Amino acid sequence: GQQVMQIPQYQHVQEGEDFTTYCNSSTTLSNIQWYKQRPGGHPVFLIQLVKSGEVKKQKRLTFQFGEAKKNSSLHITATQTTDVGTYFCAGPLGAGNMLTFGGGTRLMVKP
Amino acid sequence: ETGVTQTPRHLVMGMTNKKSLKCEQHLGHNAMYWYKQSAKKPLELMFVYSLEERVENNSVPSRFSPECPNSSHLFLHLHTLQPEDSALYLCASSQGTANTEAFFGQGTRLTVV
Repeated sequence: GQQVMQIPQYQHVQEGEDFTTYCNSSTTLSNIQWYKQRPGGHPVFLIQLVKSGEVKKQKRLTFQFGEAKKNSSLHITATQTTDVGTYFCAGPLGAGNMLTFGGGTRLMVKP
Repeated sequence: ETGVTQTPRHLVMGMTNKKSLKCEQHLGHNAMYWYKQSAKKPLELMFVYSLEERVENNSVPSRFSPECPNSSHLFLHLHTLQPEDSALYLCASSQGTANTEAFFGQGTRLTVV
C-alpha cells in the first residue's frame, strides 16, 4: 500500500553538528508536513510544503520538497540540545487523502 | 496547550475491563483522528472522522470502537483489550483532512494488564 518512509530511524550527533532526515513517499504528494515530538510530548506541527522544489527556512531548520513531490528533507544546522526529539514527515495518501506519517527520525544530541 | 484535550492522561486496565478515552477540541475543526503510537509503529492511523462521519478505519480490531457525537468530541471505547494494545493513544484534529496541519492532544498512555 501507499506509505511514507523516513531515514534514518535514529541519529546521535554531537552538539554543534548538523543533522538531516529524509522522507520518501511511494506516490506523488500534494503537500508534505513536518512535525516534532519532544520526549514525553505529542507531535507539534512545524511546517507545510506545497510547491515542487520548495525550500523553507525556520531559523536553523531548512525544509525541502523534491521536484517530483515524492521526497522531502529536514536539515538542522548546528544542533542544540533543544533539538532533541523525533521528527516526523506526513503526507496525504490513499483514496481519502488521509494524513499518513512516516516512521520518524529520533534525534539525540550529546552536549 | 494545543486546543485538543485528552482524558485520562494515564489508564491502566485489565483485559476484561471496558473503558473509554475522550478527546475534545476547541478549535472549530471539522476532522478528528485517533492515532496509536508504540515502539513498533510510531504513528499509526486508526480512525478518521470528517463532519462527524467516519471516513477511515484502518483495519482496526473491533475491540476498539470510536464514537463522534459532534464535531468537538471524539471517543474511543475499549473492550477486552490485549497486552499488546498498550500504547500511547493520540487524538488530533484539523480543518479538513488533506492539506491542513493536525493539532494533537497530549495523549492517553494506556497499559493493559
